[in-house]
Amino acid sequence: AQTVTQSQPEMSVQEAETVTLSCTYDTSESDYYLFWYKQPPSRQMILVIRQEAYKQQNATENRFSVNFQKAAKSFSLKISDSQLGDAAMYFCAYLEEYGNKLVFGAGTILRVKS
Amino acid sequence: NAGVTQTPKFRILKIGQSMTLQCTQDMNHNYMYWYRQDPGMGLKLIYYSVGAGITDKGEVPNGYNVSRSTTEDFPLRLELAAPSQTSVYFCASSQDRGLREKLFFGSGTQLSVL
Repeated sequence: AQTVTQSQPEMSVQEAETVTLSCTYDTSESDYYLFWYKQPPSRQMILVIRQEAYKQQNATENRFSVNFQKAAKSFSLKISDSQLGDAAMYFCAYLEEYGNKLVFGAGTILRVKS
Repeated sequence: NAGVTQTPKFRILKIGQSMTLQCTQDMNHNYMYWYRQDPGMGLKLIYYSVGAGITDKGEVPNGYNVSRSTTEDFPLRLELAAPSQTSVYFCASSQDRGLREKLFFGSGTQLSVL
């Protein structure tokens, strides 16, 4: 069964600085999707970024970018120019190519200091 | 633009009671999902539906039932509530490619079973 591991229960970053959140996963599949979701205190789940495994190019969405290392099964999220509004729980998630189940990691709490 | 609406936002149940969590979406999405989020954990799939009249079990379906009589509504029924069902419940929907597309989440229902 696929598993997703987020080894950092909590991270802190100074406003305007850069922070990287780690995620590793275990799968025997070659085609799949990876996601980062943000959950602020409002509980709303918000998609931050998505990566398709067959694409070698790392996904980027404004200040958010990923470092996707397929061979190492690693999928880290980099947040540049951190803002107070980035403070939230961040979840890494895995989906098989034709799967119907998102497998979530346990999450990383990100705190942003002013 | 309402998106995905869940009611109620909070509920306390006694052991053995039953209740229905309501979920409705106004985006004409075929795919709908119910997840639960236990404290300090990622989300786990309870049930999902790929269209009106079609439902299927997810990872943790025991103790729950669903129905999908319309495209808009996907209620989750808890029969004989147990303390193990204390959790935050999220409803989500997506367009035709299911989980490969962006998931739109409701704001969650916090349920306590005492």
